[in-house]
Amino acid sequence: EVQLVESGGGLEQPGGSLRLSCKASKFTFIDHAMGWVRLAPGKGLEWVAGMRSGNVDAKYADSVKGRFTMTRDITENILFLQMDGLRVEDTAMYFCAKARGLLDPFDIWGRGTVVTVSS
Amino acid sequence: QSALTQPASVSGSPGQSITISCTGSSRDVGAYPFVSWYQHHPGKAPKLIIYDVSSRPSGVSDRFSGFKSGNTASLIISGLEADDEAHYYCSSYTTIDTVLFGGGTKLTVL
Repeated sequence: EVQLVESGGGLEQPGGSLRLSCKASKFTFIDHAMGWVRLAPGKGLEWVAGMRSGNVDAKYADSVKGRFTMTRDITENILFLQMDGLRVEDTAMYFCAKARGLLDPFDIWGRGTVVTVSS
Repeated sequence: QSALTQPASVSGSPGQSITISCTGSSRDVGAYPFVSWYQHHPGKAPKLIIYDVSSRPSGVSDRFSGFKSGNTASLIISGLEADDEAHYYCSSYTTIDTVLFGGGTKLTVL
C-alpha cells in the first residue's frame, strides 16, 4: 500500500529550527511531485512548499519563503522540510502529500506531524 | 497571495444537494483547469474528491461533482449523507507555480 509517514514535529521556541521528514513506501519520490501542507489550529489548509517530479527546485508559499527549505533524499526515498526562523504562526499539523499533477492535486497524504512554536 | 474565497459554512438535510463555491482570480482558478476539492474529517488526513475541476478519483462517489465558470469553481454534493459532514477545501494551481487553498467550508448535515 502506498504510504507516507511524517516525523520530526515537536515543540520549539520562536526563532528556532525543526526538520520534518516524510518517508514514502511503495512509490519513489522522483517520479512524482510532492508537497507539504499545513493545518493551523482554527484555520484552513495552507500549501507550504512543493517540488515537481525529477526537479530539485522547490516552490514556497510567501509565508515561509526564505525560512523553510524543502529537499529530498532520492536514495532513501525521504522528503525533508527544514524549518528555520520559526514563528508562533507556524504552529500547525504538517502533512506530507504526493501529487498527481504538476505540483498538485494531492492524492496520497500522510497522517501529519504536529509542530508547536511557543516560548 | 490571499486564500481562495469559500463560504465559511453550508448546511443541508439528508438527501438534499448543496453547492460550495470557490472564488479566485485570473491568476489561479481562472487561469487553468487545475482546481481540486478535498474533504477533511477532523483528526484524519484530507481526502481528494475532485481534481482538474470535475474529475473524480477512483473510489469517490459520483454524488460529488465539480465545475468552473470564470474565476469561480463549485463543488456539488447531491443526496447528502451524514458522513458528508466535514470541512471542504478547494485548491488551485497558480500562474506563479504555487498552489493556493481556499479558506475551507464546514458542511453540516442537519
